[in-house]
Amino acid sequence: DTAVSQTPKYLVTQMGNDKSIKCEQNLGHDTMYWYKQDSKKFLKIMFSYNNKELIINETVPNRFSPKSPDKAHLNLHINSLELGDSAVYFCASRYDGEQYFGPGTRLTVT
Amino acid sequence: KQEVTQIPAALSVPEGENLVLNCSFTDSAIYNLQWFRQDPGKGLTSLLLIQSSQREQTSGRLNASLDKSSGRSTLYIAASQPGDSATYLCAVRGSGGSNYKLTFGKGTLLTVNP
Repeated sequence: DTAVSQTPKYLVTQMGNDKSIKCEQNLGHDTMYWYKQDSKKFLKIMFSYNNKELIINETVPNRFSPKSPDKAHLNLHINSLELGDSAVYFCASRYDGEQYFGPGTRLTVT
Repeated sequence: KQEVTQIPAALSVPEGENLVLNCSFTDSAIYNLQWFRQDPGKGLTSLLLIQSSQREQTSGRLNASLDKSSGRSTLYIAASQPGDSATYLCAVRGSGGSNYKLTFGKGTLLTVNP
C-alpha cells in the first residue's frame, strides 16, 4: 500500500549512458514532482506536473526529460549521464498543499 | 526568490531534553509551511503542515509555530528520544503562481544521545 513508489532504489551506471527512473503514486493526486538531493543533502525542485502537464521546469539541463503518461506516473529520463548527476532523486505528489515523498533513487555515475 | 534558512545546522542533545529547531524564510507571501523528517538513506516523512492562516500545529511531542510576517517558524520537540535522531527539513510553499513549488532549507541534523 505504498503511497509514492520509485524504481530502482539504487542505480549505478557509467558516464555517457542513458537511464530512466520510474515513479508511481496511488494517492489519486493531480500534482507530481521530481527533486534532486545533492551530496550536501540540499533538496531542490526539478520539475512539476499537474494532470500530465508540465508546470515547473527549473534550471535543469535538457538532458533531463520528465514524462507523465498518466496522472499516477511521472518518470525521469536522463541522457548522456555525467559525474555531476550523481545524487538522490526524489519523486513526490501533492494534495491540498501537503507533499508526499517517495523513498528516493540513489544514482551513482562512475 | 524565496530562500529558506535553518539554524542550527546540527544539534546534539542528551535524551529527555526539550529542543527548538529554527526556520526562516525571506518571502512572507507563502501558502503553507511543512516540516519533514529524513532518516539516513531514506525518503522524507511529513511531520507537520501549517497553513499560512494558522499560528501553530501540534502532533504528539511535536509543536510547530509560524510567524508569517516575520518569516519564521520553529519546531519544538518535547522530551527528546534517541529515535528522534534524524535530519529535520523545513519547506515553504509559495502563494499565487509559485504555489506549486516547495523551497527547502538545508536541514538541521539532530542527534539525541541516550
